[in-house]
Amino acid sequence: QKEVEQNSGPLSVPEGAIASLNCTYSDRGSQSFFWYRQYSGKSPELIMFIYSNGDKEDGRFTAQLNKASQYVSLLIRDSQPSDSATYLCAVFQGAQKLVFGQGTRLTINP
Amino acid sequence: SAVISQKPSRDICQRGTSLTIQCQVDSQVTMMFWYRQQPGQSLTLIATANQGSEATYESGFVIDKFPISRPNLTFSTLTVSNMSPEDSSIYLCSGAPRDREFDEQYFGPGTRLTVT
Repeated sequence: QKEVEQNSGPLSVPEGAIASLNCTYSDRGSQSFFWYRQYSGKSPELIMFIYSNGDKEDGRFTAQLNKASQYVSLLIRDSQPSDSATYLCAVFQGAQKLVFGQGTRLTINP
Repeated sequence: SAVISQKPSRDICQRGTSLTIQCQVDSQVTMMFWYRQQPGQSLTLIATANQGSEATYESGFVIDKFPISRPNLTFSTLTVSNMSPEDSSIYLCSGAPRDREFDEQYFGPGTRLTVT
């Protein structure tokens, strides 16, 4: 079992709809969780982090965390073509390091 | 957030040579990290660079192949030694700013290395 798992996609969503990206992790002791966006040919950009159960909203982005289910998600409301990118889920583990999922490629169709 | 720069942005190197990549942060960071990202893949941590002590390497990566320096809280270098075509990849550094509570890491723009 991989430490951090994401559906690699591609995930295709029409413009204006909600994009839902999911991530599960294996280390039950993980404390903080991050979503990075990576455009093709660019480095990862931190867009959200969450550390307590529930929802955290920032503009069009909402991160959701359920530690009991070891599940973290990212919702993008009113999706725009500029949201088309690969989204990386990362989990901070007790060994003082981030473990990344394989990423989900998201395409927003105009 | 922290602003991180890397040099060089890209290079084409011959087999058997070495390349040193520099990473500069605009603020002090406790920990700096070096990652490798191969085409179409996610990020793989090479090592954690701590100021004043030796780097901590992940499984599959060794100091002789990837020596790291961390002379101060804003700078680090990664050397890719005795390169082979399998080392062709994007190398990324990241840092976690000292004033952050939850270990957010910010990434440099990456160094695209091609070994011929």
